[in-house]
Amino acid sequence: DIVMTQSPLSLPVTPGEPASISCRSSQSLLNSKGYNYLDWYVQKPGQSPQLLISLDSGRASGVPDRFSGSGSGTDFTLKISRVEAEDVGVYYCMQALQTPITFGQGTRLEIK
Amino acid sequence: QVRLVESGGGVVQPGGSLRLSCAASGFTLTNYGMQWVRQAPGRGLEWVALIENDGINKYYVDYVKGRFTISRDSSKNTVYLEINSLRAEDTAVYYCAKDPPTRWGMDVWGKGTTVTVSS
Repeated sequence: DIVMTQSPLSLPVTPGEPASISCRSSQSLLNSKGYNYLDWYVQKPGQSPQLLISLDSGRASGVPDRFSGSGSGTDFTLKISRVEAEDVGVYYCMQALQTPITFGQGTRLEIK
Repeated sequence: QVRLVESGGGVVQPGGSLRLSCAASGFTLTNYGMQWVRQAPGRGLEWVALIENDGINKYYVDYVKGRFTISRDSSKNTVYLEINSLRAEDTAVYYCAKDPPTRWGMDVWGKGTTVTVSS
């Protein structure tokens, strides 16, 4: 199984400041077509998870451009250029290269 | 508008069974794979099962194999998750999610249905 490891697990951020979450996979997520099957999701308080970014296809519909995803192989990063209060929630990375599909432990972003 | 609505959760005794449903609208199941993901209280997300758009290929996380069965009814545009021999550790919110067009993933999620296993 591919193990996904996120850091940090807790991320207090001042509004307007940038934030970054790291995700590492135990195996490369690069497929034969040259795509990394790595997604980022956010679960806001009291809500279902929602797709933020797929590395192979970009930001999901309606996601602000202050969110960006990067990386390849086994090291990935989600960046928020300027955190807003509405960004509070738990952020998960997930690999969709092979089954079992696996998620990172989640990173809880909170506003200072 | 693409929408997923789960139902069928409830309180069940250990050893019992449930069938969860996920009614899809705004798209056709035969064109997309579907996923079930669960979240135990206070815990993270855990993938459980997927069914590909052909309705034939199905995959499960190891520790539910033999107890969980994913299926779909194309005529009702609904996906199911049958859960047998329920255990306390199956207590969770169960979400269904739709695959994106070209691979596995979760580009649309439902609101979830809660399964509680308790005597």
